[in-house]
Amino acid sequence: GAVVSQHPSRVICKSGTSVKIECRSLDFQATTMFWYRQFPKKSLMLMATSNEGSKATYEQGVEKDKFLINHASLTLSTLTVTSAHPEDSSFYICSASIASQETQYFGPGTRLLVL
Amino acid sequence: DQQVKQNSPSLSVQEGRISILNCDYTNSMFDYFLWYKKYPAEGPTFLISISSIKDKNEDGRFTVFLNKSAKHLSLHIVPSQPGDSAVYFCAATLRYGGSQGNLIFGKGTKLSVKP
Repeated sequence: GAVVSQHPSRVICKSGTSVKIECRSLDFQATTMFWYRQFPKKSLMLMATSNEGSKATYEQGVEKDKFLINHASLTLSTLTVTSAHPEDSSFYICSASIASQETQYFGPGTRLLVL
Repeated sequence: DQQVKQNSPSLSVQEGRISILNCDYTNSMFDYFLWYKKYPAEGPTFLISISSIKDKNEDGRFTVFLNKSAKHLSLHIVPSQPGDSAVYFCAATLRYGGSQGNLIFGKGTKLSVKP
């Protein structure tokens, strides 16, 4: 149980284009979903927290207009990297948690490469 | 300033022996701690957790110990297996702190189990 999927697993795009990453909880309803970014040899950095049906809460330093997050249902959250630049190249990971539970279950991650 | 610290970036252990991964935290308000295992280019996998009201939690080969006075926790893996080779992340959170379950991660320790 508690399976989270992400799509796509890998994407290469041109600078200036937008990329959408989907995160789905497959066998449970996720009241809260989280988006992380991992730089090489660094820990996971929380980018934003989203609750179904409400606006995402962004961490300090994360541009909300650049990283658009939509949590339209209890099983789906999307992260759109708008006008991507090479410095946005990274490994993006989502996680989901069930109401009243602290444990977050992570997706497999999406490798983004912006050329 | 890092609130969760994993001071050993790497650890090498012989198969069959015990692996001990350490984690220190600075925020005494943290009341829930988790360990995740991560392979390259994959999302973290939840391993085991512990509430601050306990000092030990065991699940199969994995045991987590919590020393609140020292603000220290450790993950013991015994016996270690080559398949345990991965990066292990320690994470902490405040259950009732209004942080929506945000996890604060350490930088990870890379465990190598040699046959």
